[in-house]
Parts: sequence; C-alpha cells; structure tokens
Amino acid sequence: GQQLNQSPQSMFIQEGEDVSMNCTSSSIFNTWLWYKQEPGEGPVLLIALYKAGELTSNGRLTAQFGITRKDSFLNISASIPSDVGIYFCAGQPPTNSGYALNFGKGTSLLVTP
Amino acid sequence: DGGITQSPKYLFRKEGQNVTLSCEQNLNHDAMYWYRQDPGQGLRLIYYSQIVNDFQKGDIAEGYSVSREKKESFPLTVTSAQKNPTAFYLCASSSRTGTQPQHFGDGTRLSIL
Repeated sequence: GQQLNQSPQSMFIQEGEDVSMNCTSSSIFNTWLWYKQEPGEGPVLLIALYKAGELTSNGRLTAQFGITRKDSFLNISASIPSDVGIYFCAGQPPTNSGYALNFGKGTSLLVTP
Repeated sequence: DGGITQSPKYLFRKEGQNVTLSCEQNLNHDAMYWYRQDPGQGLRLIYYSQIVNDFQKGDIAEGYSVSREKKESFPLTVTSAQKNPTAFYLCASSSRTGTQPQHFGDGTRLSIL
C-alpha cells in the first residue's frame, strides 16, 4: 500500500500554541483517520472522517477531509503538555486490502510548559 | 470492557526460532489486521483477515504466517525466515464493511537475542 506524505516530521512548541499538521496522497481515499500514539502503546483513534469536505472536532482537535479526497489536516488548539506524542494520519483507499489502512510516517509533537 | 488484547508485551527470539504473537478481541469485529512498526516509520500491513478461516497477505508478508480459526483470535507467527524481525507489532480490528475505524491493541515489542 501507498505510504502517505505527512508533515511536518516533528514539532517542538510551547504550551498554549496551536499546532497544524497535514497529510497528502497521490490517490484518493474514502476515509481519513487521525491517531495518536504514546511510547510503548498502540495508536488511539482521535478523529475519523468519511466524507470529502467534512470538518470534525473532538475537543481541542479539529480535522478536515480534503475536497479532492487526497489530503487531510489536523489542528490542535491551545496545546498542553499531555498532547505530547506521535500523530499519525491514515487513509482507506477505495479498493484495498480488506479496508486495511495506509499510514503516514507520523508527526512527533513535543510541548514545553 | 471491549477491546483488543495483545500478548506478550515483550518477546525475545533466538536465531532460527519461530515465535507467535497473540491477538484477541471481544469487539465482535469480523476483520483483523497485523501491522509492523519500525522507528520513525508508519505502520506497514503484514496480514489481514476479513472472516474466519480466511486471510490475505499485506505489503510485507514474507517471513510471517497467520491463522484465523476463531473470530476473536488472529495470532501472528514470526518465522526464522524473517531476517529482520526486531520491531513493534500491532494488531487491529474493525467491522468487515469498513464503516467503523480500526482499533488497535497495545502492541508487542519483539527483539532478537
């Protein structure tokens, strides 16, 4: 499966700042998902997007499914130290391996108090 | 609580040895997946199964084998043919129709002695 282009690779910010990361693909996807992973644990789902143009929020997190179906972004507002972790985008292409996901390489977020 | 349980958390393999990683889910999901994660990389699909007694190779299946005798269980065997098995292995499950996002276990870290 295709690996998605996720950027930035890492971010080092101060508490209270807003964060933005994005993911692009050369082909279209039916679903975009954003996960957060902490060291030694499995990814935890943050937001799921199922329709082009869809904008969804989960607390301080907001994500959008791009109109072209080839991109998605995740914003985190007013970051706090517990936001630290690796954020992954994942997409589900129209014809794929039994709904298996294609993943980006992750954005590592560090937040200083 | 419903969820996905992976065991063991840490596993060590000797050269030439096969090892089996366990994955059990009580979410009543039809589909299950195995991913491999290397440092600084996204997740890559090893095998997936949409229904009992059926499974398909993913992008990096060489050196691995699986079975799906029960809906709840999808064990992964890392064989001696896998020359670089040191990685973090993640199991996931989802509804067969793909209308629900994948949920992940907490992973097994495999190392070579």
